[in-house]
Amino acid sequence: GENVEQHPSTLSVQEGDSAVIKCTYSDSASNYFPWYKQELGKRPQLIIDIRSNVGEKKDQRIAVTLNKTAKHFSLHITETQPEDSAVYFCAAKIRDISNFGNEKLTFGTGTRLTIIP
Amino acid sequence: GAVVSQHPSRVICKSGTSVKIECRSLDFQATTMFWYRQFPKQSLMLMATSNEGSKATYEQGVEKDKFLINHASLTLSTLTVTSAHPEDSSFYICSATSVGQARGNTIYFGEGSWLTVV
Repeated sequence: GENVEQHPSTLSVQEGDSAVIKCTYSDSASNYFPWYKQELGKRPQLIIDIRSNVGEKKDQRIAVTLNKTAKHFSLHITETQPEDSAVYFCAAKIRDISNFGNEKLTFGTGTRLTIIP
Repeated sequence: GAVVSQHPSRVICKSGTSVKIECRSLDFQATTMFWYRQFPKQSLMLMATSNEGSKATYEQGVEKDKFLINHASLTLSTLTVTSAHPEDSSFYICSATSVGQARGNTIYFGEGSWLTVV
């Protein structure tokens, strides 16, 4: 099955600086890579996503890059603000042939991002 | 707005009892729903895939007789934790995928349910 690794597990960044979180995945058949922000006890919130036919996507201060050859993708947050502090998860989606072709999400281990005012 | 609703948000039960968690898609039909478990400071781990009208598919290591999943309609899936033990205490969260041109293959998460077994 798919295996997603995420680094770093914790990251502290001065307000205004940039933060980068990296993920690698194992199955080259994965075709969709979302990033989620999760606050304690709440549902994950999709912040940006990228499909396998695109190398980069940007939405204001947030960008994601994908390197299919190396099987890694990264989240970039620029001009960080205190409200960016949260736990961030990457994920990879793959079609599971053994399970009616359902597309399953496998999550990374998470990164606790702290923005220092 | 929220399109997947999960209930209850918090539940405390005694060890040995069973508890049911509901996941509803409010304004779309979800042929497939997913159940995750998240322990404190850990990631979301997929427990099972729930397909409407058929048996759920469980991930390796998840006991199907302990975590009963029913997906009887296109808008409702339930997870029943049977004979709950303190180690089952966790955050349980469902997700549903809406397929089609209107929404694309968007994944919607429920609000999650905190289960505490005492």
